[in-house]
Amino acid sequence: QKEVEQNSGPLSVPEGAIASLNCTYSDRVSQSFFWYRQYSGKSPELIMSIYSNGDKEDGRFTAQLNKASQYVSLLIRDSQPSDSATYLCAVNRRARGSTLGRLYFGRGTQLTVWP
Amino acid sequence: DAGVIQSPRHEVTEMGQEVTLRCKPISGHNSLFWYRQTMMRGLELLIYFNNNVPIDDSGMPEDRFSAKMPNASFSTLKIQPSEPRDSAVYFCASSLGAGANSPLHFGNGTRLTVT
Repeated sequence: QKEVEQNSGPLSVPEGAIASLNCTYSDRVSQSFFWYRQYSGKSPELIMSIYSNGDKEDGRFTAQLNKASQYVSLLIRDSQPSDSATYLCAVNRRARGSTLGRLYFGRGTQLTVWP
Repeated sequence: DAGVIQSPRHEVTEMGQEVTLRCKPISGHNSLFWYRQTMMRGLELLIYFNNNVPIDDSGMPEDRFSAKMPNASFSTLKIQPSEPRDSAVYFCASSLGAGANSPLHFGNGTRLTVT
């Protein structure tokens, strides 16, 4: 089982709709969770981080974390064509006996927002 | 802040040749990561350094790959000899600290093509 699983998509939504992106992870000791956005031909850029159960909102973006279900999601409200990109879920956990963490990435979900 | 700087942006080489990729992390960041991204395998961690010391190189595919970090502001990833299956985009990333809550900042990547 891979550390981080995402639906590869593509996910297609109309402009103004809510886009919902989902991610599951395998290791219960995972501690912090990130969403990166990657435009075609560009490098990943961090858009959200979440560390505790519940919701975290930042503008049009809401990250949701449920550690009991080992599930992370990203909601994009009022989707815009400029949101069209691949969204990478990343999970960080410390190695046993170490203070250093390691980030595991999912394969990403391709989102297209059509006008 | 200049961000993470990688060079070259593109590299085309013939099978069997040596390839060296370079990275300058963000000033003050003490953790540096090398990732490889392909369509088939997504974003894979190859190796990461903390305070110039290699911490986890379990992702390095084989002995043909080597990485060094001689000082806090420079790292190299070398492939010798290169093979067509090494063709990918190689990203360098840095972070302040390597704890579980440290987000990564990516460079623009080096697109490697081995013919």
